[in-house]
Amino acid sequence: EIQLQQSGPELMKPGASVKISCKASGYSFTSYYMHWVKQSHGKSLEWIGYIDPFNGGTRYNQKFKGKATLTVDKSSSTAYMHLSSLTSEDSAVYSCALLILGGLAHWGQGTLVTVSA
Amino acid sequence: DIVMTQSHKFMSTSVGDRVSITCKASQDVSTAVAWYQQKPGQSPKLLIYSASYRYTGVPDRFTGSGSGTDFTFTVSSVQAEDLSFYYCQQHFTSPLTFGAGTKLELK
Repeated sequence: EIQLQQSGPELMKPGASVKISCKASGYSFTSYYMHWVKQSHGKSLEWIGYIDPFNGGTRYNQKFKGKATLTVDKSSSTAYMHLSSLTSEDSAVYSCALLILGGLAHWGQGTLVTVSA
Repeated sequence: DIVMTQSHKFMSTSVGDRVSITCKASQDVSTAVAWYQQKPGQSPKLLIYSASYRYTGVPDRFTGSGSGTDFTFTVSSVQAEDLSFYYCQQHFTSPLTFGAGTKLELK
């Protein structure tokens, strides 16, 4: 069974950075691109980008370039997303997900990031 | 970026009714559209991919149709557990983009 287990909630100060993890299991980690999605409270979904775990290649939504950095550790089948220079606009739930058959078929449980002074 | 427009933020229905949710793309996306269900506090669940293909384990009361710019998601006989948010999403080109969502609620 494919599972994506994300790290726990984060409470951060404005200007700080945070790194969220997504540990994959139940499949070959390098078989699927890992996507990341943002959902602000009560709002819709925004695609941040993806990383190819095989070679580390990335593609970002222009809106998140400079804000999000995606990396992987193949040895632990874990994907990471680093968010920098946090503001209140970055407060949201961030999820990792696998694109299979044209849809995001498997999702992590989401990580709540709260940015507050 | 391609804009996905779900014109109804809310749709009222009754258990047993047939209900359809529409989604319009700002440009031709062929059949590269997925539909998701999201319940409060949960991650989205993929129901339909490539406009009309039901994902593994999805009940057959859920169907999708459309191509080009106009897409429809239908629940043939609404069950109580279907009262939820539904989102469309295009995967035709980067960036992937989602509709604003439609909340299916009881009349």
